[in-house]
Amino acid sequence: SQQGEEDPQALSIQEGENATMNCSYKTSINNLQWYRQNSGRGLVHLILIRSNEREKHSGRLRVTLDTSKKSSSLLITASRAADTASYFCAPRFSGSRLTFGEGTQLTVNP
Amino acid sequence: GAGVSQTPSNKVTEKGKYVELRCDPISGHTALYWYRQSLGQGPEFLIYFQGTGAADDSGLPNDRFFAVRPEGSVSTLKIQRTERGDSAVYLCASSSGSEETQYFGPGTRLLVL
Repeated sequence: SQQGEEDPQALSIQEGENATMNCSYKTSINNLQWYRQNSGRGLVHLILIRSNEREKHSGRLRVTLDTSKKSSSLLITASRAADTASYFCAPRFSGSRLTFGEGTQLTVNP
Repeated sequence: GAGVSQTPSNKVTEKGKYVELRCDPISGHTALYWYRQSLGQGPEFLIYFQGTGAADDSGLPNDRFFAVRPEGSVSTLKIQRTERGDSAVYLCASSSGSEETQYFGPGTRLLVL
């Protein structure tokens, strides 16, 4: 079925290190959104990247999109313990629904 | 401004009972979405409203699930004859347009005993 698939499933790093999470999908998208979720509750929107964009930045976050490879990556630089969370990519295919994978669980150790 | 709000934050019910979950979207957002998230999984789409009408309800798992948005703002997700498998966090999101950022509420955690 259509959905984004995050890789790795889990990532553990030290504070100050960079964290890279990847997302792959199988069919053409209109846009792709990245979200963060703490403690299994509400999702916090991080970045929306459109299909005609290749890179976007927001603070310590950098998102890239390669539509030829059907993949996206989220880079968090200079990570902090507060960045510990689950991160989801959500491609938007045709229609308006977002399709989520199982996420990457990031742990940043102090 | 205020974000998406959902009530109740937690709901415990017994198998076979009827429940209603409420979502207040961001003011002015025409699009409203319901998702369901089980433990360890990503959110799963249920239904999308554009204004008062359900533009896509293909994610509703069966006819026990129904949602309304009568005035194009607040939405209610209704679940009849609840089953233990309905236990999950129900998330609501809204956006200013169908191609724009979806902003999520804190969710309602439903537990069916």
